[in-house]
Amino acid sequence: GQNIDQPTEMTATEGAIVQINCTYQTSGFNGLFWYQQHAGEAPTFLSYNVLDGLEEKGRFSSFLSRSKGYSYLLLKELQMKDSASYLCAVRDSNYQLIWGAGTKLIIKP
Amino acid sequence: IAGITQAPTSQILAAGRRMTLRCTQDMRHNAMYWYRQDLGLGLRLIHYSNTAGTTGKGEVPDGYSVSRANTDDFPLTLASAVPSQTSVYFCASSGSSTGELFFGEGSRLTVL
Repeated sequence: GQNIDQPTEMTATEGAIVQINCTYQTSGFNGLFWYQQHAGEAPTFLSYNVLDGLEEKGRFSSFLSRSKGYSYLLLKELQMKDSASYLCAVRDSNYQLIWGAGTKLIIKP
Repeated sequence: IAGITQAPTSQILAAGRRMTLRCTQDMRHNAMYWYRQDLGLGLRLIHYSNTAGTTGKGEVPDGYSVSRANTDDFPLTLASAVPSQTSVYFCASSGSSTGELFFGEGSRLTVL
């Protein structure tokens, strides 16, 4: 079966750096997405990786290793507003998105 | 209207009742989706439409139906609601080269 694994919850300190991991086992691969979802709100797109390597976008970076079935989202200079759930999703060979359950990130002052 | 609009934002209804969740987008995206989100689970695809006039079944289609008469609208109907359909429902669309999704604000449905 297809599976996306990410930690259920993580805690980090304001101003610090945190890395949220995502491992996947899917039928084929056509890209990996990260979304941010604040409590009670809709998910919003953060990043997209289809080739191996690091994609940097401001304080957020996303890394992909297709051979390892692994990605991470790196958040730098954490702010209180970064407290949210972070969703990893993989597009499979049928171009369907497979979603992880999300990682709830708690930022402490 | 800007982006995707869902209605209602919240609804409580009795089991056995019929309910339609509305979704309208103004981005002229071809693809639209309905997901449900339950605590501890990833988003699960109910139905999708790649273009106006076509629909397809997702991972959890039973008890739900959709239609896509035009590009902008993609309503989701629960023919006879059951308590297990209590969830938050998100409508989404995609139209860019990378295929990222744009989500509506969600409809919180409680079936008693």
